[in-house]
Amino acid sequence: KAGVTQTPRYLIKTRGQQVTLSCSPISGHRSVSWYQQTPGQGLQFLFEYFSETQRNKGNFPGRFSGRQFSNSRSEMNVSTLELGDSALYLCASSSLASSLAVSYNEQFFGPGTRLTVL
Amino acid sequence: QKEVEQDPGPLSVPEGAIVSLNCTYSNSAFQYFMWYRQYSRKGPELLMYTYSSGNKEDGRFTAQVDKSSKYISLFIRDSQPSDSATYLCAMKVPAGGSNYKLTFGKGTLLTVNP
Repeated sequence: KAGVTQTPRYLIKTRGQQVTLSCSPISGHRSVSWYQQTPGQGLQFLFEYFSETQRNKGNFPGRFSGRQFSNSRSEMNVSTLELGDSALYLCASSSLASSLAVSYNEQFFGPGTRLTVL
Repeated sequence: QKEVEQDPGPLSVPEGAIVSLNCTYSNSAFQYFMWYRQYSRKGPELLMYTYSSGNKEDGRFTAQVDKSSKYISLFIRDSQPSDSATYLCAMKVPAGGSNYKLTFGKGTLLTVNP
């Protein structure tokens, strides 16, 4: 089974621009979660999508948005980039939405997209 | 106080040493406790997860949870250079309604020297 794939792997943008990152989950997985990883703050939850609906959102400004398509692929968009948005953006897929998992439902992470904002 | 605190290290040990990695958490509502391993330029991968207080063993790895102290640990026996990575503790926490999210520690960078 192919793992979670993310494109692009590396990206360089300048302040004020916008960026779109893509995530393809493991086949059959319908839940995609996005995380931001920085040295200062660690791994922080951005949002969760399940069946094309945002189910869950972390404490990030509205500049961070996402969507999920009918094939479960997901995109994340960051508008008006700031220097502090430089980070590794990770997506993780799982078979169930967090609200539907009785016990722990494993999340499988992709390799991430390294975004650098200059 | 942050929800999850983890000593970032770095931690450097000789091959064969026993490694102890620790996290503390603030909210007794936290449920499942996980340890992830992240190699350089890779995403995190799940090592172990546990729910109840006590020990859970898997090969050279032992996860320990003490809910009364809000303290979790990961022990690595007979550490190998291939164990060199960042280790992240994580917890499944309520996120409003019936939703949950994973909250992570900042990670401990471990280097095992041959």
